[in-house]
Amino acid sequence: EDQVTQSPEALRLQEGESSSLNCSYTVSGLRGLFWYRQDPGKGPEFLFTLYSAGEEKEKERLKATLTKKESFLHITAPKPEDSATYLCAVQAGGGYNKLIFGAGTRLAVHP
Amino acid sequence: DTAVSQTPKYLVTQMGNDKSIKCEQNLGHDTMYWYKQDSKKFLKIMFSYNNKELIINETVPNRFSPKSPDKAHLNLHINSLELGDSAVYFCATGGGTEAFFGQGTRLTVV
Repeated sequence: EDQVTQSPEALRLQEGESSSLNCSYTVSGLRGLFWYRQDPGKGPEFLFTLYSAGEEKEKERLKATLTKKESFLHITAPKPEDSATYLCAVQAGGGYNKLIFGAGTRLAVHP
Repeated sequence: DTAVSQTPKYLVTQMGNDKSIKCEQNLGHDTMYWYKQDSKKFLKIMFSYNNKELIINETVPNRFSPKSPDKAHLNLHINSLELGDSAVYFCATGGGTEAFFGQGTRLTVV
């Protein structure tokens, strides 16, 4: 069964303290791995798509990497405005385009 | 100009009632989805429509009936609401592999 597990469940950082969020997955025929950011009361906001092992993508203080078993979202020198829940999702083969989400990591960055 | 818009944003209703949530997208995508986010924040797909045709139905109770009058709209009708239906419902749309989400509808059944 296709599955996505994110860790840690919650993470508290001081402003400027870099860290990484983990997303491990089991999927038959990965078509893509996605990272989303979700603020309270809002819908998930798309960040990155990764398609193959070794791929990396960056956006401001965020960098996403992908291996055959997991993905990492590295946050460099975070700021309080980076506080949010970060969701990882995979899209399996089969042609239906549905996303299978992990439970998310709640990130709190304190000044 | 909101890409994916849902109405209403909040919905409080009594058990046994029937309610609808509307979704409209202006991105021109062929595929639209309904996702449910439970109290533990787990997002799970319910339905997927491609060009007004049902593609995915993830064993959702048949009290839930999606309706797609055209490619830009996917509405969700729920009959005989139960306490366990309380959740946030998200509409999403996708043109390729990624999905763009609406703001969500928080449904509370009392």
